[in-house]
Amino acid sequence: ETGVTQTPRHLVMGMTNKKSLKCEQHLGHNAMYWYKQSAKKPLELMFVYNFKEQTENNSVPSRFSPECPNSSHLFLHLHTLQPEDSALYLCASSQDRGVSPLHFGNGTRLTVT
Amino acid sequence: KNEVEQSPQNLTAQEGEFITINCSYSVGISALHWLQQHPGGGIVSLFMLSSGKKKHGRLIATINIQEKHSSLHITASHPRDSAVYICAVTGNQFYFGTGTSLTVIP
Repeated sequence: ETGVTQTPRHLVMGMTNKKSLKCEQHLGHNAMYWYKQSAKKPLELMFVYNFKEQTENNSVPSRFSPECPNSSHLFLHLHTLQPEDSALYLCASSQDRGVSPLHFGNGTRLTVT
Repeated sequence: KNEVEQSPQNLTAQEGEFITINCSYSVGISALHWLQQHPGGGIVSLFMLSSGKKKHGRLIATINIQEKHSSLHITASHPRDSAVYICAVTGNQFYFGTGTSLTVIP
């Protein structure tokens, strides 16, 4: 148990669907992150929230839309995705945006058909 | 070129062997992290270090700031150590290596 919970674990969606990924942490952390992990590539940072405010958007296409209603919850809303968006999406949290260790969830394996 | 390079990319070892995974980085950092990712996908932080050496059980991590290099050692390796090990550094942002896939054979 890492303290960061992601749902669902697996998701298959068509290119016209709308779905959402959910992340929840009860570690009292102030920073939350969405990462994309594709095969044979380094983890790619997508979004960062610090104290519920989005502080980074790493040139992510608008078909990915994050939402952070409070410091414990983070969502990634998906719509009109492409097959190349199929990947493992990982949520992480840290005490602050600085050098604190990251705590990762187990990820959502997304397949876009 | 990636800011963080790991070697080897893949590693197979017999149970009981001593294992070393290397990480080199090219940016200024405030800390280096070693992460472990099991086949299920979840990532666990093993170490965060900014100098010297840390030990946790059979795992040892070292860093040489001048040479911009870190190593992760596993002593008396076990099949349950089979995972992907990822090196990450914190500068003005996190940079990640592509990972080393370790398989320990009984």
